[in-house]
Amino acid sequence: SAVISQKPSRDICQRGTSLTIQCQVDSQVTMMFWYRQQPGQSLTLIATANQGSEATYESGFVIDKFPISRPNLTFSTLTVSNMSPEDSSIYLCSVAHSSGGYTFGSGTRLTVV
Amino acid sequence: AQTVTQSQPEMSVQEAETVTLSCTYDTSESNYYLFWYKQPPSRQMILVIRQEAYKQQNATENRFSVNFQKAAKSFSLKISDSQLGDTAMYFCASRLQGAQKLVFGQGTRLTINP
Repeated sequence: SAVISQKPSRDICQRGTSLTIQCQVDSQVTMMFWYRQQPGQSLTLIATANQGSEATYESGFVIDKFPISRPNLTFSTLTVSNMSPEDSSIYLCSVAHSSGGYTFGSGTRLTVV
Repeated sequence: AQTVTQSQPEMSVQEAETVTLSCTYDTSESNYYLFWYKQPPSRQMILVIRQEAYKQQNATENRFSVNFQKAAKSFSLKISDSQLGDTAMYFCASRLQGAQKLVFGQGTRLTINP
């Protein structure tokens, strides 16, 4: 299965600023997924990122707030823009395997103050 | 719509006991995959076990096994001989065949006490 390196592992940011989270995969994958996990909650899919096309966003998430880049088959970034305390969450990236399973990054714990 | 429900927010058992975590799901599709993921305090999501809906045999992985009841849309996880390292959040999830999106339940916080 794939191995994902996610950075940063945590950050504390001022409201109104932006943070970019990176995920590097050790193999080529078609789709990458970005999730948000609010404190004490489950994972909610933000968007699906395909290489060479616009990301597909889930209901309640917009590109202006969570722009995503997918420059190649092993890398993706998620930016959390114009942050507010409500954006304090864990953000995780994930990839799907051809076998049907999924691998997740180690997560980014974001605190907005 | 695809939904996953975990009705037990928290559970606690003594070390070496057996514990069962409940999960129900709702889908109109006949082909799908079901998963149990573990999330320890490190935040890392770890796959515990996976079940293909077309397989009648319940999946097992060492101390972990599932009771898959397709007609009842139930997918419970049994942990035998529980260990302190099993302490974590456990998430049930489903994925439709042909789709890539995982849908997660609310999670169950499991604590194994010494």
